[in-house]
Amino acid sequence: QSVLTQPPSVSAAPGQKVTISCSGSSSNIGNNYVSWYQQLPGTAPKLLIYDNNKRPSGIPDRFSGSKSGTSATLGITGLQTGDEADYYCGTWDSSLSSWVFGGGTKLTVL
Amino acid sequence: EVQLVESGGGLVQPGRSLRLSCAASGFTFDDYAMHWVRQAPGKGLEWVSGISWNSGSIGYADSVKGRFTISRDNAKNSLYLQMNSLRAEDTALYYCAKDRSSWYGGDNWFDPWGQGTLVTVSS
Repeated sequence: QSVLTQPPSVSAAPGQKVTISCSGSSSNIGNNYVSWYQQLPGTAPKLLIYDNNKRPSGIPDRFSGSKSGTSATLGITGLQTGDEADYYCGTWDSSLSSWVFGGGTKLTVL
Repeated sequence: EVQLVESGGGLVQPGRSLRLSCAASGFTFDDYAMHWVRQAPGKGLEWVSGISWNSGSIGYADSVKGRFTISRDNAKNSLYLQMNSLRAEDTALYYCAKDRSSWYGGDNWFDPWGQGTLVTVSS
């Protein structure tokens, strides 16, 4: 059971928009920045969003992040088949003194 | 180009030990904290351990505390994970990841990640 809760899967058609939620508590999301990672099939995770809503160089603006209270959301617009991947949220948990990740969400672009 | 290359994985019997290594290049290694994150087959990511730039601050997940030891050699640009008393549930792909700052906790993130080294614990 992950400390952060994500839906196991989401799906949408090419060109559409999808959101992935990440729910936590005051000891993690509520008081720390959230980052998001994309893991394409058979590859290592890659940083997608940091500090709740910032994109590293090279990440298209189709990807966005937001945070409100103890929840965070990853948004992807203009879906492409190449976006099919597992997506993970992560943050520091001040009570556990450890990093925590969500269980991951598998995105299917129909 | 920042690069992280893990090694040392393999098949090991329950109760035995294994030492993983991560060779870093393309950045000033001793400016950054480093982490080990694992992924069991078909499962999600689990943070294992983190170490600050000067080894002065170290943390472990409860699942490995007392069995695993993280260390680093800044002169060799290398990160290590000594894994003792291995269990079947330690079977996973182990990733090395660079922190965005010199301290392993707080408002940071992991970038980049290595390709991982597979550890299989089985008799």
